[in-house]
Amino acid sequence: GAGVSQTPSNKVTEKGKYVELRCDPISGHTALYWYRQSLGQGPEFLIYFQGTGAADDSGLPNDRFFAVRPEGSVSTLKIQRTERGDSAVYLCASSRGQGKQYFGPGTRLTVT
Amino acid sequence: DAKTTQPPSMDCAEGRAANLPCNHSTISGNEYVYWYRQIHSQGPQYIIHGLKNNETNEMASLIITEDRKSSTLILPHATLRDTAVYYCIVSDPSGTYKYIFGTGTRLKVLA
Repeated sequence: GAGVSQTPSNKVTEKGKYVELRCDPISGHTALYWYRQSLGQGPEFLIYFQGTGAADDSGLPNDRFFAVRPEGSVSTLKIQRTERGDSAVYLCASSRGQGKQYFGPGTRLTVT
Repeated sequence: DAKTTQPPSMDCAEGRAANLPCNHSTISGNEYVYWYRQIHSQGPQYIIHGLKNNETNEMASLIITEDRKSSTLILPHATLRDTAVYYCIVSDPSGTYKYIFGTGTRLKVLA
């Protein structure tokens, strides 16, 4: 079956611009996670959705980062006033609640 | 802070068993141990998980010590395609089950 998909695969933006990253989870998966991975590091948790609500957003680095999942399926990670330090691979994962997580291929964000 | 400690790198000869250790000395009773791997430029791929008992699937075996403070992932016959970064993760017990990744072990399988 179809796995987790993320679009775009690559995004280059200028410092100060706004970006949106999209995640399509596996159909029927109620839990959705966003992670961020910097070069040479393991993925770092950002936010967790159970259904439509953000159950844990403790990993969001600051208020420039925001994520939504309005219908309990597709999620969008939004970054305002991007900074060069935001450059990373943004990973999305989904799961059936408490089960193992299935990761997407990631979106590579480069802020110039 | 990551709850697991892994060696930064290991080499393994092709066809031999690869044994990847992980220390998780602060694991609590209801936390599972998960193993994932990440091949360059891809998302992490699930390998195996366990709570107390040893587990085996088509990819690997997981050996968890009786006190649950450490575990070993075993790839029985490593191939060049197993070259990747391997992450040992202890699932968060707070109810969100978010993963807290460390820096993992970079396994290089040598021909």
